[in-house]
Amino acid sequence: NAGVTQTPKFQVLKTGQSMTLQCAQDMNHEYMSWYRQDPGMGLRLIHYSVGAGITDQGEVPNGYNVSRSTTEDFPLRLLSAAPSQTSVYFCASLETNGAVNSPLHFGNGTRLTVT
Amino acid sequence: GENVEQHPSTLSVQEGDSAVIKCTYSDSASNYFPWYKQELGKRPQLIIDIRSNVGEKKDQRIAVTLNKTAKHFSLHITETQPEDSAVYFCAASPNKLIFGAGTRLAVHP
Repeated sequence: NAGVTQTPKFQVLKTGQSMTLQCAQDMNHEYMSWYRQDPGMGLRLIHYSVGAGITDQGEVPNGYNVSRSTTEDFPLRLLSAAPSQTSVYFCASLETNGAVNSPLHFGNGTRLTVT
Repeated sequence: GENVEQHPSTLSVQEGDSAVIKCTYSDSASNYFPWYKQELGKRPQLIIDIRSNVGEKKDQRIAVTLNKTAKHFSLHITETQPEDSAVYFCAASPNKLIFGAGTRLAVHP
């Protein structure tokens, strides 16, 4: 049971490039989410999904796209990278049981730098 | 949408003292309130959580209290130890988890 797996661990992009951050979980969790963490800003929700085929915006969705074609995978796409997207990105999932009221399991994070 | 405010942003205590971190939330529909600890370079880890049908929960040196009327909840750490030094985050969930900005706790020997 690997939990939540994020790839890559580190990435450097040039302004305007696009890329996809991968996230996979093997716990059969219905709820998955992406956060970004900037110094002094805490964890800010980018997008989340309550099940396959369903996605919704979080607090800071601009510049990011997501899709949820399977229960296991929840990739985050940066359409045209900007220096303001330099951050640490965490993917996280939880078991809903009909409500978002159980512990969130985090991946190890992806450190992204945009130059 | 939900907004979570957390205070203080930094907290410095002597080993053995107690530490209290407070959070307020805005959405009365929120019914789940977890606390996470994050050590430098690591992912956040759950340390304790409370649901809205409970006013207080304790786990050894850690306790959380919830006041739904006032929309605030607090983390209490007693007998602090140097290994408690980390960043602590509160969160609230109506239907998605929204985090506070974090509290950097330093416990000095």
